[in-house]
Amino acid sequence: EAEVAQSPRYKITEKSQAVAFWCDPISGHATLYWYRQILGQGPELLVQFQDESVVDDSQLPKDRFSAERLKGVDSTLKIQPAELGDSAMYLCASSSAAGSEQYFGPGTRLTVT
Amino acid sequence: GQNIDQPTEMTATEGAIVQINCTYQTSGFNGLFWYQQHAGEAPTFLSYNVLDGLEEKGRFSSFLSRSKGYSYLLLKELQMKDSASYLCAVRADYKLSFGAGTTVTVRA
Repeated sequence: EAEVAQSPRYKITEKSQAVAFWCDPISGHATLYWYRQILGQGPELLVQFQDESVVDDSQLPKDRFSAERLKGVDSTLKIQPAELGDSAMYLCASSSAAGSEQYFGPGTRLTVT
Repeated sequence: GQNIDQPTEMTATEGAIVQINCTYQTSGFNGLFWYQQHAGEAPTFLSYNVLDGLEEKGRFSSFLSRSKGYSYLLLKELQMKDSASYLCAVRADYKLSFGAGTTVTVRA
């Protein structure tokens, strides 16, 4: 069964450092999502791509976060500089079309010290 | 945005039934999803409702009333492996917003 791949699974970094996460969606899925999930809360959408274009980044803290999906396949989310409050699970999901069922990757657990 | 409310925690006994309620306020509603999330893992899809009524899938059923802004997830014949967080997610204008989740603990 096809799955969404993410790496790394765990990342510990010091504040003010740069960190990057990678996501490879299910083959053929045009829509890709990055979510942040703080412990005890539901996932919060950071950015949504349709192919290589950003369609929603209203909740992305653009002063420190950036995301790209250059060829419309895999995607990278970057944080620079990391802050203590960025400690969370970062989830990537994909769907065949915007609004259809989303499939989640295993997530990257980020700890900022 | 969407206001999505669900209870924080529920506890039930193995073999019992538990009902998790979700209420929402939104414009442009076009579907409601339920996801299961075990601790430290990614959410996995359980069910989807877009029309009023009950959708049944094995031990899990989900109900939707669009006029009341209300849904519930029914878990029957509870098993220990059902201990997890259950997330209600509302789709509006093809964007998904999640509730905070209900942590269900199944006791022997």
